[in-house]
Amino acid sequence: DVVMTQSPLSLPVTLGQPASISCRSSQSLVYSDGNTYLNWFQQRPGQSPRRLIYKVSNRDSGVPDRFSGSGSGTDFTLKISRVEAEDVGVYYCMQGTHWLITFGQGTRLEIK
Amino acid sequence: EVQPVESGGGLVQPGGSLRLSCAVSGLSFSNYWMTWVRQAPGKGLEWVANIKQDGSEKYYVDSVKGRFTISRDNAKNSLYLQMNSLRAEDTAVYYCTRAPHCFNGVCQNAFDIWGRGTMVTVSS
Repeated sequence: DVVMTQSPLSLPVTLGQPASISCRSSQSLVYSDGNTYLNWFQQRPGQSPRRLIYKVSNRDSGVPDRFSGSGSGTDFTLKISRVEAEDVGVYYCMQGTHWLITFGQGTRLEIK
Repeated sequence: EVQPVESGGGLVQPGGSLRLSCAVSGLSFSNYWMTWVRQAPGKGLEWVANIKQDGSEKYYVDSVKGRFTISRDNAKNSLYLQMNSLRAEDTAVYYCTRAPHCFNGVCQNAFDIWGRGTMVTVSS
């Protein structure tokens, strides 16, 4: 199974400051069709997960443009340009390239 | 906002059974693979099972294989998870979600819409 490793696991950030979360996979996530199926999810306290980013860097509808995804191969990053109070929660990366679908362990973002 | 609605969770003793349901409206249900993902209390997300649009392919995580059965009824826009021989480690919130395409059980562009989940507690 592909292991997804996120860092840091806890991320205290000052409001208005940037934040960055790393996700590394144990194998390349490039699929046979040339795409890389790496998604990012946000889970606010008490809520269901919400997909923010798909295929590394594509923002879902309604996701603020302060969220961006980047990376390739085995190394990926979710960036928040200016953290707002509503961004508090846990962020997960997920791969959909290899059997079986696996998630990172989650990164908890909190406001300092 | 259109959202799947899960139901059927509850408290069950070890070795018992539960059947979860997920009602999906307005999402072109029959066009999507459907998936169950679970989250143990205070823990991360774990993919459990998925099913092809016509029900002809089903895939499971090893830990539930032989105990859980995923099924769907496209006429009722509904997804199900029959859970037998339940164990304490199955305790989790179970979410219903979807994917437009999967190959051999691995889903690309997956999980854009999630339900609120239903809690399953396995305890004596």
